[in-house]
Amino acid sequence: DIQMTQSPSSLSASIGDRVTITCRASQGISNFLAWFQQRPGKAPKTLIYAASSLPSGVPSKFSGSGSGTDFTLTISSLQPEDFGTYYCQQYHVYPFTFGGGTVVEIK
Amino acid sequence: EVQLVESGGGLVQPGGSLRLSCAASGFTFSDHYMEWARQAPGTGLEWVGRSRDKAHSYSAEYAASVKGRFTILRDDSKNSVHLQMNSLKIEDTAVYYCARSVFLGPYWVPFVDWGQGIQVTVSS
Repeated sequence: DIQMTQSPSSLSASIGDRVTITCRASQGISNFLAWFQQRPGKAPKTLIYAASSLPSGVPSKFSGSGSGTDFTLTISSLQPEDFGTYYCQQYHVYPFTFGGGTVVEIK
Repeated sequence: EVQLVESGGGLVQPGGSLRLSCAASGFTFSDHYMEWARQAPGTGLEWVGRSRDKAHSYSAEYAASVKGRFTILRDDSKNSVHLQMNSLKIEDTAVYYCARSVFLGPYWVPFVDWGQGIQVTVSS
């Protein structure tokens, strides 16, 4: 199975900060990578697919980059509603696998 | 608006069975692959399985942890997908989510839209 490793596992940042989360795959996955946001007690929400594409309705403050094994999710200006846990997921090969998550807290 | 609503969760004893349902609306259900994922208490997300569409013979893929015990069934006439769970184990306790995949040529992108989730508890 492909292992997805996220870093950091948690972070605390101030309103307006630029935040970057990284995700590393144990083998190359081209651009078959998605990012999700999950607020406590809620279902995940898709932020990014195909490593850098935003679904309609997702604010442009979210951006993704990377290909192969190394990927990043960036929040350009952190806002209070951005707290929660962020997950990456590869869908290049079965079984699809998720990263362990990054908890984002607001200072 | 795409809506996915899970039902059928609850408490079941180890070794028992449960059938989850996911009612879909707001899109042409028969044209889409559908996914299931789960989240055990206090942990991250785990992919459970995928159901392909009629054009691909409704074939399915499963995580190793559930293969042979779980089956994904579709009813395109009722815009619904089901997760039949047999031989349940304590470690199957989780919130289960159904999700819609979208074809963004030339690939299927999983988990574009999610349901709200349903709790399954396996305990004696």
